[in-house]
Amino acid sequence: ETGVTQTPRHLVMGMTNKKSLKCEQHLGHNAMYWYKQSAKKPLELMFVYSLEERVENNSVPSRFSPECPNSSHLFLHLHTLQPEDSALYLCASSQEVFAGTLYPELFFGEGSRLTVL
Amino acid sequence: SQQGEEDPQALSIQEGENATMNCSYKTSINNLQWYRQNSGRGLVHLILIRSNEREKHSGRLRVTLDTSKKSSSLLITASRAADTASYFCATGYNDYKLSFGAGTTVTVRA
Repeated sequence: ETGVTQTPRHLVMGMTNKKSLKCEQHLGHNAMYWYKQSAKKPLELMFVYSLEERVENNSVPSRFSPECPNSSHLFLHLHTLQPEDSALYLCASSQEVFAGTLYPELFFGEGSRLTVL
Repeated sequence: SQQGEEDPQALSIQEGENATMNCSYKTSINNLQWYRQNSGRGLVHLILIRSNEREKHSGRLRVTLDTSKKSSSLLITASRAADTASYFCATGYNDYKLSFGAGTTVTVRA
């Protein structure tokens, strides 16, 4: 148990659907992240939030819309997705985004497996 | 891109043997981290090594860092079935970006 909970664990959606992924961290951290993991590819950083402020949008298509209402919750709203968006979406948190020269340890959730039909 | 690249892509060993995997990266780093991912699960942090450290141990894990060669290695000694997982190195890349490679998949045979 890492203290980061993601729901749902599995999601199947059509290309015209709208759905949301939810992430909650119970660690008192100030930073939260969304990563995309596709088979045989490096993890792709999508979004970074620090104290509810988005500090990084890594050229992610607008069909992915993040929301961070407070430092414990992070959402990823999905609409009009493509089949190539099927992947494991991982949420992570860390104490801070970046502390001087030290990149923080990330705490990951179990992921939401998304299938777009 | 500064993301690390793990080598080999896959590794199969007998229980009790040691497993070694390597990570190479392209530009200077402040620290390098190793993570483990069991099938279909999230990543779990294993160990962090700073750029001024050459070797670090944690239980059966040994990590080395050679900044002159821009490479790191992860050694798992006396492997167990529970070590079957994918292992990723992560390197710092600009502010906010911790970049991961595609991982080494380790299978430990009973």
